[in-house]
Amino acid sequence: GESVGLHLPTLSVQEGDNSIINCAYSNSASDYFIWYKQESGKGPQFIIDIRSNMDKRQGQRVTVLLNKTVKHLSLQIAATQPGDSAVYFCAESGANSKLTFGKGITLSVRP
Amino acid sequence: DSGVTQTPKHLITATGQRVTLRCSPRSGDLSVYWYQQSLDQGLQFLIQYYNGEERAKGNILERFSAQQFPDLHSELNLSSLELGDSALYFCASSVGGQGNGYTFGSGTRLTVV
Repeated sequence: GESVGLHLPTLSVQEGDNSIINCAYSNSASDYFIWYKQESGKGPQFIIDIRSNMDKRQGQRVTVLLNKTVKHLSLQIAATQPGDSAVYFCAESGANSKLTFGKGITLSVRP
Repeated sequence: DSGVTQTPKHLITATGQRVTLRCSPRSGDLSVYWYQQSLDQGLQFLIQYYNGEERAKGNILERFSAQQFPDLHSELNLSSLELGDSALYFCASSVGGQGNGYTFGSGTRLTVV
């Protein structure tokens, strides 16, 4: 069935280092992928998205990479800051409109 | 402020009771989505409405129902509440019906005691 999963439940990085958060998806029909950030007490916040006709998309300090061959999605955060500490979710969408979310990974930034 | 408003922020109620959660989408957005977030299940899609009509349904229990009104606000009704219904309930909205550019509200924390 459809599922989106994250490889690691937690990730701890040093402030200033680059962070890479990985995600695997199982629905090869998915054509739209999003990364969300959720801070404590808040709703998920859109970070960056990518469509299946692309393999890389860059935002401000963030890059999303999509490898459709192995159904893998990653989020790269450059120069990680304390404000980046949060739970990160990948989500995928196919022909229907609903997003399927992974369980989330906690990013902890060490000062 | 994301533009998606959810009320109430917190709700504590007893088992067997019924509650209504409210969501006002971002101005101009026609789609409303409801999600349940619990510690062991992550974000689970419940249901989507687009311009007043049900568009997609997820793992929504029969005890739960929703609707979207002509002014596009939506309500999620949870009845015969059980302890396991305790969770964060999020509403999200988007302009169209394709799930692009979801904007989430800050959620309603439901505690069933």
